[in-house]
Amino acid sequence: SAVISQKPSRDICQRGTSLTIQCQVDSQVTMMFWYRQQPGQSLTLIATANQGSEATYESGFVIDKFPISRPNLTFSTLTVSNMSPEDSSIYLCSVASGGGQPQHFGDGTRLSIL
Amino acid sequence: GESVGLHLPTLSVQEGDNSIINCAYSNSASDYFIWYKQESGKGPQFIIDIRSNMDKRQGQRVTVLLNKTVKHLSLQIAATQPGDSAVYFCAENTSGTYKYIFGTGTRLKVLA
Repeated sequence: SAVISQKPSRDICQRGTSLTIQCQVDSQVTMMFWYRQQPGQSLTLIATANQGSEATYESGFVIDKFPISRPNLTFSTLTVSNMSPEDSSIYLCSVASGGGQPQHFGDGTRLSIL
Repeated sequence: GESVGLHLPTLSVQEGDNSIINCAYSNSASDYFIWYKQESGKGPQFIIDIRSNMDKRQGQRVTVLLNKTVKHLSLQIAATQPGDSAVYFCAENTSGTYKYIFGTGTRLKVLA
């Protein structure tokens, strides 16, 4: 399966600031996704990153808070904007070759907001 | 330390015994299911999958059972080893769609 690299692996940020997380895949993939995993909880899909067009956001997530870019088939970024302590989570990038196919995950970005 | 799994249900198993992790899925239209293993500090790792036209699938030391009647999925791990200690998630999907619904997760602790 594809090798997925996320940067940074962890960060501690001040409230009100923004952080951009990068996801790099070692091969072209059809679909890229961003998930949030809050402490002690399961994974929640934030959005699907679409190559060359606006991301598709899930209910409860908006572009102003979580802008996403996907300039090509191997790279995507997620920005967490105007951060508050409630945004402290693990943010995970995943990839898949299509619907009904396995998703494979990066190791995540562990974000703490003070 | 890793914060994932702090409040999840925990299954404690003696090393060498078999483990059974259960998952109730929510959508009767789901026809594709995956088990993931998440170790501390890492992302979820694909273990095994099963489609709804099967009720059992075996891998290396792992078996997944699917009961569509009661919407239940289980993961059996044979001869559990310390390296199996992790949080395990089931995920359900409807073919042709991209969205996965993840279960709440179970923390497996292997006792020496």
